[in-house]
Amino acid sequence: EIVMTQSPATLSVSPGEWATLSCRASESVSSDLAWYQQKPGQAPRLLIYGAFIRATGVPARFSGSASGTEFTLTISSLQSEDFAVYYCQQYHNFWTFGQGTKVEI
Amino acid sequence: EVQLVESGGVVVQPGGSLRLSCAVSGFTFHDYAMHWVRQPPGRGLEWVSLISWDGGSTYSSDSVKGRFTVSRDNSRNFLYLQMSGLRGEDTAVYYCGRDSLPAPGAIDFWGRGTLVTVSS
Repeated sequence: EIVMTQSPATLSVSPGEWATLSCRASESVSSDLAWYQQKPGQAPRLLIYGAFIRATGVPARFSGSASGTEFTLTISSLQSEDFAVYYCQQYHNFWTFGQGTKVEI
Repeated sequence: EVQLVESGGVVVQPGGSLRLSCAVSGFTFHDYAMHWVRQPPGRGLEWVSLISWDGGSTYSSDSVKGRFTVSRDNSRNFLYLQMSGLRGEDTAVYYCGRDSLPAPGAIDFWGRGTLVTVSS
């Protein structure tokens, strides 16, 4: 099973600042990597697929990048509605999620 | 508008059985593979099962293999998860999700979930 490891577990930032979230795969997943946002009491929302392609309706302040087995979600100029938990997911070999990063004020 | 609505979550005793349903609308159901994903209270997401567009292929995580069965009825636009041999660690919110066509394996729409509690 491919293990996805996210860091940090919690990220404390102020509105207007940048946030950088990391996700590492235990083996190559090519670009088969998605990012999701989940707010309390809500279902997850797809933000990024193919490692860097924004899903429909996702603001441009969300961007994804990759280097080998290391993936990054960057949120520029954090808005109040961006404080949430973010999960990465690989779909290269079956499907596994990371444990999540909570972005808090 | 794409909608996925899960139902069937209840309190069930360990060892019991349960069937979850997911009613879908707003898209051509039989064009898409579908997922089940669960989330224990206060914890992260865990992928559970996937079924192909025609039901011909199914996949399940090791944690539920042999106990849970995913199926679908394309004539009625329903997805199902038959759960048996339930354990305390199966307690979770269960979400159904639509597999992405541009990126098969990613989940582009999710339901709001239904809570399954396994407890005596």
